[in-house]
Amino acid sequence: DGGITQSPKYLFRKEGQNVTLSCEQNLNHDAMYWYRQDPGQGLRLIYYSQIVNDFQKGDIAEGYSVSREKKESFPLTVTSAQKNPTAFYLCASRHRALDQPQHFGDGTRLSIL
Amino acid sequence: EDKVVQSPLSLVVHEGDTVTLNCSYEVTNFRSLLWYKQEKKAPTFLFMLTSSGIEKKSGRLSSILDKKELSSILNITATQTGDSAIYLCAVDGSSNTGKLIFGQGTTLQVKP
Repeated sequence: DGGITQSPKYLFRKEGQNVTLSCEQNLNHDAMYWYRQDPGQGLRLIYYSQIVNDFQKGDIAEGYSVSREKKESFPLTVTSAQKNPTAFYLCASRHRALDQPQHFGDGTRLSIL
Repeated sequence: EDKVVQSPLSLVVHEGDTVTLNCSYEVTNFRSLLWYKQEKKAPTFLFMLTSSGIEKKSGRLSSILDKKELSSILNITATQTGDSAIYLCAVDGSSNTGKLIFGQGTTLQVKP
């Protein structure tokens, strides 16, 4: 089945630790996005990538990093510089050329230990 | 600064009621407005609206865009408990990057 897979579903971070959230899609979408969702605040864009080996900062990129080495994969690293990482993280992708809507993975919930 | 505002932020209704959710926006380069439904996990796509005045319909859900008023409404008729969710409105105001600006969401609870 085609879709977007995020892993793990739940993740705990210790003080000073970097953690990486995985996002894989087999929809042949060229554009991929990472959002952060906090209660009562909707979704905020962290990073996005329109093609392999290229990505841009979103509205809240500080304390996060990404890579896009393969079309199918867009991992997000939450670094120790992100002081308030507890949130629900959503990955999305879309077929840019067809101007289609974004479709989302099931999310990763990150908490601080 | 581009922004999207939804109202109400939360709503409690009984099964069978009709609800109207509102979304207003201020963006520099409007391309489209999207509605998503989020239950526990992934937001699922409902509608994409690009033209003013054309209603999009899917079962008991419908939506329409008013570009003059910079707003959209999402209607749900004959609500069911399965309609309980967060409804997200988002606007694509980009130049083909697909970047979306989301509203805060409306939390709908449908009681039996």
